[in-house]
Amino acid sequence: GQNIDQPTEMTATEGAIVQINCTYQTSGFNGLFWYQQHAGEAPTFLSYNVLDGLEEKGRFSSFLSRSKGYSYLLLKELQMKDSASYLCAVKDSNYQLIWGAGTKLIIKP
Amino acid sequence: DSGVTQTPKHLITATGQRVTLRCSPRSGDLSVYWYQQSLDQGLQFLIQYYNGEERAKGNILERFSAQQFPDLHSELNLSSLELGDSALYFCASSKSGGGNNEQFFGPGTRLTVL
Repeated sequence: GQNIDQPTEMTATEGAIVQINCTYQTSGFNGLFWYQQHAGEAPTFLSYNVLDGLEEKGRFSSFLSRSKGYSYLLLKELQMKDSASYLCAVKDSNYQLIWGAGTKLIIKP
Repeated sequence: DSGVTQTPKHLITATGQRVTLRCSPRSGDLSVYWYQQSLDQGLQFLIQYYNGEERAKGNILERFSAQQFPDLHSELNLSSLELGDSALYFCASSKSGGGNNEQFFGPGTRLTVL
């Protein structure tokens, strides 16, 4: 079957750095997405990785290792507004998006 | 604002009833996706349409159905509603289904079944 694993919840301190991991087992791979979702709101796109390596976008970076079926989202200089759920999703061989359950990130002052 | 619109924003109804949720994709997007998200749960993919045709089916109940019209807007019909159907229903759109086309989500319809 297809599976995406992420931690259920993480806590970090304002101003710090946090890394949210995602491991996947899918039938084929056509890219990995990270989305941010604030409670009660729609998910918004953060990043896309299809090749191995690090993609940096301001305070957010996303890393992919296809051989390990592994990705992480790195958030730097955490702000209170970063408190949200972070969803990892993989496009399989049929270009269907398989979603993880999401990681709820709690930022403490 | 993602450019995806959904109506209504909120819907309160009773068990056994039928409702229709509406979605208009971003201009130029051909694919529409429907998701269900129950309280504190992950996104559950229901169904995808591409240019009017059903492209993929997820965990969609037989009581639920959807369609995409020639103008590309989509409707999700939920019938014989049960308490457990209370959830946020999101519509998303993308240019096509392939590659790096990210999905853009509408604001959602919050359905409450009493």
